Amino acid sequence: DADVTQTPRNRITKTGKRIMLECSQTKGHDRMYWYRQDPGLGLRLIYYSFDVKDINKGEISDGYSVSRQAQAKFSLSLESAIPNQTALYFCATSAGDTQYFGPGTRLTVL
Amino acid sequence: SQQGEEDPQALSIQEGENATMNCSYKTSINNLQWYRQNSGRGLVHLILIRSNEREKHSGRLRVTLDTSKKSSSLLITASRAADTASYFCATDTGRRALTFGSGTRLQVQP
Repeated sequence: DADVTQTPRNRITKTGKRIMLECSQTKGHDRMYWYRQDPGLGLRLIYYSFDVKDINKGEISDGYSVSRQAQAKFSLSLESAIPNQTALYFCATSAGDTQYFGPGTRLTVL
Repeated sequence: SQQGEEDPQALSIQEGENATMNCSYKTSINNLQWYRQNSGRGLVHLILIRSNEREKHSGRLRVTLDTSKKSSSLLITASRAADTASYFCATDTGRRALTFGSGTRLQVQP
C-alpha cells in the first residue's frame, strides 16, 4: 500500500461548491503539507502542519482552509470553489529534510 | 516569487547522452534538493546537498552546489528513455518548508 494516499484522485465541481481533499499517511511523520501545481509551474505551498496542534499558512492560503484531524490525516478544504483553483493538488509528509508526496488530486472547478 | 528557478525550462536529448539542468536561488539555504515528477504524478526525492557540500553523487546523478553563485546543477549521465520527466529543485532556507522551482521538462528520445 502507498505510504501517502490522497482522495479523491480526480474531482470536477462547480463554482461556489465546498470541496474537501483528504490526505492520509502511514509513514508516522509529524510534518504534513499541501501544495498546488499549475500547468508549467512548480509547486506552491498552501498550508503546512508540524504536528496536530501546529497549522501554518503557506504562500497561497487565501481561499483554502485545513484540518489536522490526527497525526496521519491532513485535509484541505475549499470553502467556495472558484475556477482559478483548478489545479493539481499534492499532499506531502516529512520527518526531516526529505518530503514524500502523495499521487495528487486533479481538481477542476467549472 | 519562486526561490528556485530552473534552466532550461525544457530539454530534449537522445538516449545515452548526458542531461544537465541548473537551478538558481535567491537567499541563503540549509540544503538544496532535487525531485523528479513523472507526468501528473507526485514528486519523488532524488538527492539532497547541504550548504557545506560542493558535490554529491547518487548512481547516475551528480549534483553540484555553488553557494557563492547561489546555484546548483543536476547532471544525469547516460540518460535513458525512462528518465523522461520533470525535475525540480527545492531549497530549504530553515523557514520550516521547502520552496520549489518551476522545473525542467526533460525528454529523452529512444
